[in-house]
Amino acid sequence: QSVLTQPPSVSAAPGQKVTISCSGTTSNIEKNYVSWYRQVPGTAPKLLIYDNNERPSGIPDRFSGSKSGTSATLGITGLQTGDEADYYCGTWDSSLGAVLFGGGTKLTVL
Amino acid sequence: EVQLVESGGGLVQPGGSLRLSCAASGFTFSHYAMTWVRQAPGKGLEWVSTITGTGVSTYFADSVKGRFTISRDSSKNTLSLQMNSLRADDTAVYYCAKTAPTFYFDSWGQGTLVTVSS
Repeated sequence: QSVLTQPPSVSAAPGQKVTISCSGTTSNIEKNYVSWYRQVPGTAPKLLIYDNNERPSGIPDRFSGSKSGTSATLGITGLQTGDEADYYCGTWDSSLGAVLFGGGTKLTVL
Repeated sequence: EVQLVESGGGLVQPGGSLRLSCAASGFTFSHYAMTWVRQAPGKGLEWVSTITGTGVSTYFADSVKGRFTISRDSSKNTLSLQMNSLRADDTAVYYCAKTAPTFYFDSWGQGTLVTVSS
């Protein structure tokens, strides 16, 4: 199955804001909920955002999610060096009958 | 507290078989779908398979369809992945994940490494 399209890398200075995009199609992002995951290399992924813009308990409000049409965006404000990780979007594809993940975005906090 | 613990990974020759298990605790296992997600070395996440809470419905990625089988035993709170006809490109860390109705994964195990090599 194809993947959702994310930028390979983004970077910003501590304290700044960054956004990570996730581009898909009508059959996946537009019709279904998007979730976002954070993964520090060598560890398991962790849920950051679910159902497009909901935060699980324990996730600070520095993290936000949005969706418009066939694209979704993860926003992180007040960047900290501890935010450095790989970030993945995910959703269901109604046509394929499959879960899709984005290729992942490596966040560097300069 | 939700806990998911995978086991069963290891080194297997191409064409061989392996069975992964995921022991679940801290939630009502039969109420939730469960999913296997894998990650090849240095690569991104790849969805492998999902099974509904009842076990009646299963879903597979095209890359494993016909070779992998997913099952669950609610009496033992255990999820399994039977992997047959393994190929080198099946080499990955395999994670089990608790799955919500809208297909997000709110808890993940620590992963188990499967290496397919001669």
